[in-house]
Amino acid sequence: GAVVSQHPSWVICKSGTSVKIECRSLDFQATTMFWYRQFPKQSLMLMATSNEGSKATYEQGVEKDKFLINHASLTLSTLTVTSAHPEDSSFYICSARDGANVLTFGAGSRLTVL
Amino acid sequence: AQSVSQHNHHVILSEAASLELGCNYSYGGTVNLFWYVQYPGQHLQLLLKYFSGDPLVKGIKGFEAEFIKSKFSFNLRKPSVQWSDTAEYFCAALGYQKVTFGTGTKLQVIP
Repeated sequence: GAVVSQHPSWVICKSGTSVKIECRSLDFQATTMFWYRQFPKQSLMLMATSNEGSKATYEQGVEKDKFLINHASLTLSTLTVTSAHPEDSSFYICSARDGANVLTFGAGSRLTVL
Repeated sequence: AQSVSQHNHHVILSEAASLELGCNYSYGGTVNLFWYVQYPGQHLQLLLKYFSGDPLVKGIKGFEAEFIKSKFSFNLRKPSVQWSDTAEYFCAALGYQKVTFGTGTKLQVIP
């Protein structure tokens, strides 16, 4: 079946630094990928929709300059948390949509900002 | 605006009991509907999906869901739950270029 790889699975960084998270579709091409944030004991919050070759569409309240999304190819989207602060600590998840409109999720990336 | 609501936040059942988790969606156009499951410590996995056709869809592990257009509902069911079904269940709607998740339902199955 379709597999989405997310890397790194866990990252700890200092406040003020930037962190990049990768989302790769391993055996299919994904023109659309989605980035979510999941707070403890809460549902997934859609942050942005990433389309290959174009600018990401951000949800209301999500800072574009804070969470940079790049979808450079049909198999790779990256989320960069710029100038991270402790309140950015969270679980970030990506999903990729295949040609059959099914969403496959990555395992998530836990970011801890000290 | 697109929205998905799940009415049950936390459900506790004994093994062999029947399960029904509610999901209602709001969307103006054609929508694809999904149920995902997240087992403790694992990532989201697809249980089943509805795109068109037979409104009763069957998924993995004995789960099924029925799409009722008139009620804007897509409830998840299982006739007899097992302890291994303990997990969090998310309903999701995929419209054009936008996906919306419900708040999730935690299911706890007691042996």
